[in-house]
Amino acid sequence: RKEVEQDPGPFNVPEGATVAFNCTYSNSASQSFFWYRQDCRKEPKLLMSVYSSGNEDGRFTAQLNRASQYISLLIRDSKLSDSATYLCVVYPITSGTYKYIFGTGTRLKVLA
Amino acid sequence: DTAVSQTPKYLVTQMGNDKSIKCEQNLGHDTMYWYKQDSKKFLKIMFSYNNKELIINETVPNRFSPKSPDKAHLNLHINSLELGDSAVYFCASSQDRRTSGRENTGELFFGEGSRLTVL
Repeated sequence: RKEVEQDPGPFNVPEGATVAFNCTYSNSASQSFFWYRQDCRKEPKLLMSVYSSGNEDGRFTAQLNRASQYISLLIRDSKLSDSATYLCVVYPITSGTYKYIFGTGTRLKVLA
Repeated sequence: DTAVSQTPKYLVTQMGNDKSIKCEQNLGHDTMYWYKQDSKKFLKIMFSYNNKELIINETVPNRFSPKSPDKAHLNLHINSLELGDSAVYFCASSQDRRTSGRENTGELFFGEGSRLTVL
């Protein structure tokens, strides 16, 4: 089983739609969780951290479910500019490791 | 003002050559990384240094040798380049969350990437 798994997509959605991505992780000792966004031929950039109680940033909502070991990202009112690859990132703080583990990414295309 | 900068951005070279990619961060972070992103877009950790000490060394051919002269710099040297080395190499940095205090989010900051093409 991969350490971090995501549906690669692509998710093709119309503008204005709501879309949700899930990501599962295998290491229950994982402590920190993030969603990164990567545009074509660019570097990944932090979209949002994911907190235990869930958090929201504008149209974006992130949730963490430790019991089932998954995190989710919800995008409301999709914009054309949301088209990108969304990377789930897990950081297991164990044994002094500093290993941010990336999922393969979920590709989103928002269509006009 | 660039937080994590790496050079060169593009590198085209012949098989068998030796090349280096340099990375510098001005964020005051104590941990730096090299990631490889291949044609399938999967980001894979290669190396990590914390305060100039190698802490992650994934299964990478020993043709790849990282060097960290100080905690703000992490370079990657590749010997005897092969076709399969063609990829985008990203440098990144972060602050050790155990020592940085509550404000730190543990965010990983990336450089713009160095696109290596081996012919």
